[in-house]
Amino acid sequence: GAVVSQHPSWVICKSGTSVKIECRSLDFQATTMFWYRQFPKQSLMLMATSNEGSKATYEQGVEKDKFLINHASLTLSTLTVTSAHPEDSSFYICSATFFSGGSYEQYFGPGTRLTVT
Amino acid sequence: GQQLNQSPQSMFIQEGEDVSMNCTSSSIFNTWLWYKQDPGEGPVLLIALYKAGELTSNGRLTAQFGITRKDSFLNISASIPSDVGIYFCAGQLTSNTGKLIFGQGTTLQVKP
Repeated sequence: GAVVSQHPSWVICKSGTSVKIECRSLDFQATTMFWYRQFPKQSLMLMATSNEGSKATYEQGVEKDKFLINHASLTLSTLTVTSAHPEDSSFYICSATFFSGGSYEQYFGPGTRLTVT
Repeated sequence: GQQLNQSPQSMFIQEGEDVSMNCTSSSIFNTWLWYKQDPGEGPVLLIALYKAGELTSNGRLTAQFGITRKDSFLNISASIPSDVGIYFCAGQLTSNTGKLIFGQGTTLQVKP
């Protein structure tokens, strides 16, 4: 099956610093990549939709200046949490999708645990 | 916004028992997907459903795409301890982006 990687798998940073998370589709070119965040015991909350070469589309309530998304190629998207604060601590998950057989197949990365101290 | 209502929220069962969980929505979906998530990991796709009425199996898992396209269920037969985890349903509304709407999740615990 299709493989999506994320780096780093976990990161601890100090309040006020910025953190970059990478999402890569390893064996396919992704039509679109999505970024989610997940709080403990809760479902995945979509943050933004990212297409290669264009600006990301953010969900309502997600600050685009806070969560910067860059989609440099069909296999790489990055999420930068700028000026991180403790409330940004969460599990961030990306997914990558491609069109096959008349439908979209979506595969998830293993997630990145961000802890802001 | 669109929501998926997933139930039950949690289940605690004995090994060997069958499990059933479902999702309903007020919206019509083109695709229904079922994922399993282990602690600290990303969701893994279990079953994908593309047509109303479709019934699909993957080993001990069986899922169906409701006729109305507003609901889906997932059954797990003869549960085993490694079935423990959180199961999410997800619906895909439109076919031009692949954007998914997730249910709230069902936490499954299996007692050996």
